[in-house]
Parts: sequence; structure tokens; C-alpha cells
Amino acid sequence: QKEVEQNSGPLSVPEGAIASLNCTYSDRGSQSFFWYRQYSGKSPELIMFIYSNGDKEDGRFTAQLNKASQYVSLLIRDSQPSDSATYLCAVNYGGSNYKLTFGKGTLLTVNP
Amino acid sequence: KAGVTQTPRYLIKTRGQQVTLSCSPISGHRSVSWYQQTPGQGLQFLFEYFSETQRNKGNFPGRFSGRQFSNSRSEMNVSTLELGDSALYLCASSLGSNQPQHFGDGTRLSIL
Repeated sequence: QKEVEQNSGPLSVPEGAIASLNCTYSDRGSQSFFWYRQYSGKSPELIMFIYSNGDKEDGRFTAQLNKASQYVSLLIRDSQPSDSATYLCAVNYGGSNYKLTFGKGTLLTVNP
Repeated sequence: KAGVTQTPRYLIKTRGQQVTLSCSPISGHRSVSWYQQTPGQGLQFLFEYFSETQRNKGNFPGRFSGRQFSNSRSEMNVSTLELGDSALYLCASSLGSNQPQHFGDGTRLSIL
């Protein structure tokens, strides 16, 4: 059973701080990794995707991938109350096809 | 550019009935995936279609089936509904293999 593990949280940070979300996966052959944000009652929204080892930055968001250690993380700089949501890590176990496996998500609360 | 459109948004059925959900992907997207989201199990992969072919299937019973049409629109069918089928059903589309997926708003199915 290929798995994706996330800290369930909740993770609480003050406004302006850096929020760090972590995810580990079980299949060393995985090639693509995604972070989604889901507000309560809404559908998941794509935040970041990363395919290669290292860091990828987009605005206040940075995704980090370490294939040797099988973890992927998401950093949110200058956290805002509007960032309060559940963050879902997803790993494509389908090779060249799609078979996304999601973690259970980490609930992030940013306190004003 | 229009996003992923799912219809209907809400559905109430009784045990034993069958249901068909519809998904229109983003224009130009040929890959369509379906997911079930419940509070207990999180987001679980159902199946993925590309160019009218099912390429991957998750661990769901045969009561769950789908198809994709030549215009990339997709339908999902659940037969002999059970109480446990109550969930948010999400459709996501992408350009193709390993490209980021974008989700629709989902269909919330309630079984009485």
C-alpha cells in the first residue's frame, strides 16, 4: 500500500510567521508531488507542484523535495489569516499516468 | 478560461438507487480523474481517464464505474448505492501525464 503521511496538526502560527508543512511518502520511484489548499466546504486548490530535488519558490510559497529521504515540504512565508486552511500533500504513484495519493492533510491556523 | 465544471452540485438518493455524476474538464485537458472525499478516509482516488481510456483505477468496488467521451467530458456512475457512499465526489483535469490537476467544485452526494 503506497502511502502519504502528513502531520494532522492543527498547526497554529502567528500572522507574519513562517508555516512549515511536511509530508513523507513510501514509494521511492514517485516522480511528481503536489500541494493543495482546501478551505472548509470548498474543493482543493493547487498551490505548488515539484518534480526535481531542491527548492521551488512561487511568491510566499516554497516547496522542497528530497527524494533520498522521501519527503516533501511546503513553507509559507509571511503567513496571513487567509492562509488558514487544510493543506493536502499529493504524490503521483501512477508513473506516466495519474494515480494521485493524498495525505490526510494538515490544518493550518494563522492567528492575527 | 472556464474551470472544471461538475454537475449536479448536490444530490440526495436512497439506498439501492444508482447515480450518474458529470464532469466537464478545462478546455484542452484530456486527462480526467475522479476522487471520493470523506471525513474519515480523506481524498481517495477512484479512476483516471485519458482519451476515452481508463488508465488507472483505485481500490473501489465494481459498483463504481466511469467513462470519458470524445470531447473529454466524463461521467461517473455508482450503482446500488450504500449509506457509506455519502461523500463529496471530486473531478480533476489536467493536460496530461504528470501535469498538475485542477479540481472542480465537487458533487456532494447524500444517501438516505
